[in-house]
Amino acid sequence: AQTVTQSQPEMSVQEAETVTLSCTYDTSESDYYLFWYKQPPSRQMILVIRQEAYKQQNATENRFSVNFQKAAKSFSLKISDSQLGDAAMYFCAWTSGTYKYIFGTGTRLKVLA
Amino acid sequence: DAGVTQSPTHLIKTRGQQVTLRCSPKSGHDTVSWYQQALGQGPQFIFQYYEEEERQRGNFPDRFSGHQFPNYSSELNVNALLLGDSALYLCASSLQLEALNNEQFFGPGTRLTVL
Repeated sequence: AQTVTQSQPEMSVQEAETVTLSCTYDTSESDYYLFWYKQPPSRQMILVIRQEAYKQQNATENRFSVNFQKAAKSFSLKISDSQLGDAAMYFCAWTSGTYKYIFGTGTRLKVLA
Repeated sequence: DAGVTQSPTHLIKTRGQQVTLRCSPKSGHDTVSWYQQALGQGPQFIFQYYEEEERQRGNFPDRFSGHQFPNYSSELNVNALLLGDSALYLCASSLQLEALNNEQFFGPGTRLTVL
C-alpha cells in the first residue's frame, strides 16, 4: 500500500528566510504525481506545487520549489523569502491516477516576524 | 468561475443520528471525491463519484454512503454517527478528461461535531 510520511509536525522560519519541509513516500508504481497543498486556518486546501514522477526537472512556482528524488522516494518543499502569509499546515500528497490522493499527516509552518 | 462549494459549514449531531453533507463541484468538473480529515491529521479518502456511480472507495464502513446527481453535485451520508466521526469533511472535484493532470480542487469543508 502507498504511504506518505511527513516527519516534521511543526517548523518555524523567520520572515524572509528559507525553510524546507520534508516528505517521503512509498510506492511500487513508476508513474505517479506528487503535490504540496497548503491549508490555512480558513481550511481551504490550496495547491502549492505539483511534480510529475516522469519529469526529472524539479518543479518551481515563484518562491516555492521542490527537490524530487525519485530513487530515494523523497519530495521536499523549499519556501524562499518566507512571508507571514505562508503560515499554514502543509500537506504532501501522492496519486497515481484519477482516484484518491494519499496525504501525509502535515507540517505546521510558523513564520516569525 | 465558481469553485467547489460545500454546505453546511458547521454541523452538530448526536451519536446515532444521521447526517447529509452536500458538495457542488467547480464549474465544468464531473468527478467528486470525499475526504475525512480528523483533527491534526491529513485527509483520508472516503470515495469518489463519476457518472453518478461510486468508482473507488477507501477504508470506510458502509455507514458512509454517497450519491452524485446528474448536475455532478454530490452528497455524503453518514448513518449511526459515532463520536469518532467528528471531523472536517472535504469535497474535491476534478475533470475526468483531464485525468492525466490529476489535480483535484478542494472545497472549504464541513466541520461535523458528534456529541
